[in-house]
Amino acid sequence: DQQVKQNSPSLSVQEGRISILNCDYTNSMFDYFLWYKKYPAEGPTFLISISSIKDKNEDGRFTVFLNKSAKHLSLHIVPSQPGDSAVYFCAANTGFQKLVFGTGTRLLVSP
Amino acid sequence: KAGVTQTPRYLIKTRGQQVTLSCSPISGHRSVSWYQQTPGQGLQFLFEYFSETQRNKGNFPGRFSGRQFSNSRSEMNVSTLELGDSALYLCASSVLAGSADTQYFGPGTRLTVL
Repeated sequence: DQQVKQNSPSLSVQEGRISILNCDYTNSMFDYFLWYKKYPAEGPTFLISISSIKDKNEDGRFTVFLNKSAKHLSLHIVPSQPGDSAVYFCAANTGFQKLVFGTGTRLLVSP
Repeated sequence: KAGVTQTPRYLIKTRGQQVTLSCSPISGHRSVSWYQQTPGQGLQFLFEYFSETQRNKGNFPGRFSGRQFSNSRSEMNVSTLELGDSALYLCASSVLAGSADTQYFGPGTRLTVL
């Protein structure tokens, strides 16, 4: 049972444009969400998080939006850069530091 | 501040053997979690330790075990290795103990079982 879903396995964007990565979850009790960026054979790198008491959090080029009623969150990257090309994982902290991850979205930013 | 470190980075074992992986958390972090990443199952939670106590465990067989020492360093052990245990094993640490906390990951240990 996939509790966190990333339905788009891949996304291609041109440099300078906006990248929007989406994530859906099933459990309304989840209250803390994180986005990680990952390269092959490396550990995930933390990007940004959001608590369920907020609907938006910004950090530089990265903004995460949370829609609790729809159980949906999205990561916006503006402007996108070639160095952003990687696999992006959405995760929910289910308590006692157990993260449940989505299956990832591969982002390719072309010059 | 140094990040999460994991040793060894690469390991090759044969079926039936056992393996121990090590993780040193970020200084000051007391919670350590372990994850397994495989192409088929993605990133899956193994267990979490805080103050030398296992507080949470994922859905893995008893061949997978771990421990945490008083300095917060952690080890995980896999006994009687199977081919399907080939994976990237990731350790993550966090400073707080609550649910609203960020985990920072190490580079991982790539285990290959032949």
